[in-house]
Amino acid sequence: ETGVTQSPTHLIKTRGQQVTLRCSSQSGHNTVSWYQQALGQGPQFIFQYYREEENGRGNFPPRFSGLQFPNYSSELNVNALELDDSALYLCASSLRGLAVPVGETQYFGPGTRLLVL
Amino acid sequence: AQKVTQAQTEISVVEKEDVTLDCVYETRDTTYYLFWYKQPPSGELVFLIRRNSFDEQNEISGRYSWNFQKSTSSFNFTITASQVVDSAVYFCALSETRSGAGSYQLTFGKGTKLSVIP
Repeated sequence: ETGVTQSPTHLIKTRGQQVTLRCSSQSGHNTVSWYQQALGQGPQFIFQYYREEENGRGNFPPRFSGLQFPNYSSELNVNALELDDSALYLCASSLRGLAVPVGETQYFGPGTRLLVL
Repeated sequence: AQKVTQAQTEISVVEKEDVTLDCVYETRDTTYYLFWYKQPPSGELVFLIRRNSFDEQNEISGRYSWNFQKSTSSFNFTITASQVVDSAVYFCALSETRSGAGSYQLTFGKGTKLSVIP
């Protein structure tokens, strides 16, 4: 096990609602990344948080937002849910050093399965 | 833009057979990292290996081995003497520096579903 935890494990929402997913990073890690994995696809990068700031974003609309807390845990918020938001949401933690990051290993949590009806 | 291609969508092998999972990548960077992850039915991505673009030595870890060939932009993964517990979806991923952004997203392939039949 990686030590990365996510909650809840499963969630059912209806279109238009808002959802918050939570992630606790592995002890000692300071960076959290979020990914969306649709059925039968590879994970797609949503965004990354480092020192409580968004530090890179993939091709996702602004209704996907996040937070990182001083203890490095993180939240992913999705507003105005759409049917296509149904997916497995994966959180990954890593340790970024002082140098320019270029590929530190990301360790993933078990994910949250979101179903939007 | 970076891209990772795993051309094999699904592979079935009989237990104890060897199997190779292919991965081809595209990037314009000279410094990048390649990864393999395993995703069992439970959903959690399990890290298997990380390789930087300057290290082309092949690596072996037990029944697992990896062949990195920069000339063909490939990073293939071989399981020797496969076992039922190897059944999972395997993802190849590429990480490169995002200049100015200071972040390092992973770009994943679509995955290869491996089924090992007893």
